[in-house]
Amino acid sequence: AQSVTQPDIHITVSEGASLELRCNYSYGATPYLFWYVQSPGQGLQLLLKYFSGDTLVQGIKGFEAEFKRSQSSFNLRKPSVHWSDAAEYFCAVAASGGSYIPTFGRGTSLIVHP
Amino acid sequence: DAGVIQSPRHEVTEMGQEVTLRCKPISGHDYLFWYRQTMMRGLELLIYFNNNVPIDDSGMPEDRFSAKMPNASFSTLKIQPSEPRDSAVYFCASSTGTGNYGYTFGSGTRLTVV
Repeated sequence: AQSVTQPDIHITVSEGASLELRCNYSYGATPYLFWYVQSPGQGLQLLLKYFSGDTLVQGIKGFEAEFKRSQSSFNLRKPSVHWSDAAEYFCAVAASGGSYIPTFGRGTSLIVHP
Repeated sequence: DAGVIQSPRHEVTEMGQEVTLRCKPISGHDYLFWYRQTMMRGLELLIYFNNNVPIDDSGMPEDRFSAKMPNASFSTLKIQPSEPRDSAVYFCASSTGTGNYGYTFGSGTRLTVV
């Protein structure tokens, strides 16, 4: 069965600082991997996805994520955080064991200090 | 495109009452998903449809919950009778496929059962 873990419930960064949100998945083969962002009172928005090829994936809003097979990780990064990036971030994994329907992590809440 | 449209945005109802949540997916999307989000359990898949046919309803918590998709542009999630523990944010999402396909989420319906 597929599962995904986001170890950090909250992350606090200063505006302009770099950001890395962690995501670890559990699945034997390479699954499909996603990052979504949820602003307060809104639905989830797809930031980026990975299924094969280049392990560094570029997404919207200046975000990128790197797939590391050896670590079963798909961490989200941004070189310089803006106050508007404050939101909830969800990692998701989709694999054959789950009929390719994504399982979502519990989310990481990003707080941005001015 | 107006995106995935959910109504109502907020619903407050008394225990025992019937509640109906509505969703209009993006035109051309063959898949429709209903999710529930709570602090305790995170984002849970309740049911999903492909071409208006329910494929997997194993996430529906009880017989009190039912979902229908009478046509490609409309779906409902009904709770009858409602209970306080049903209080949550309910999201509808649509997609052109599973696996590598990202989802487009609606803004959700915040349900409060008192």
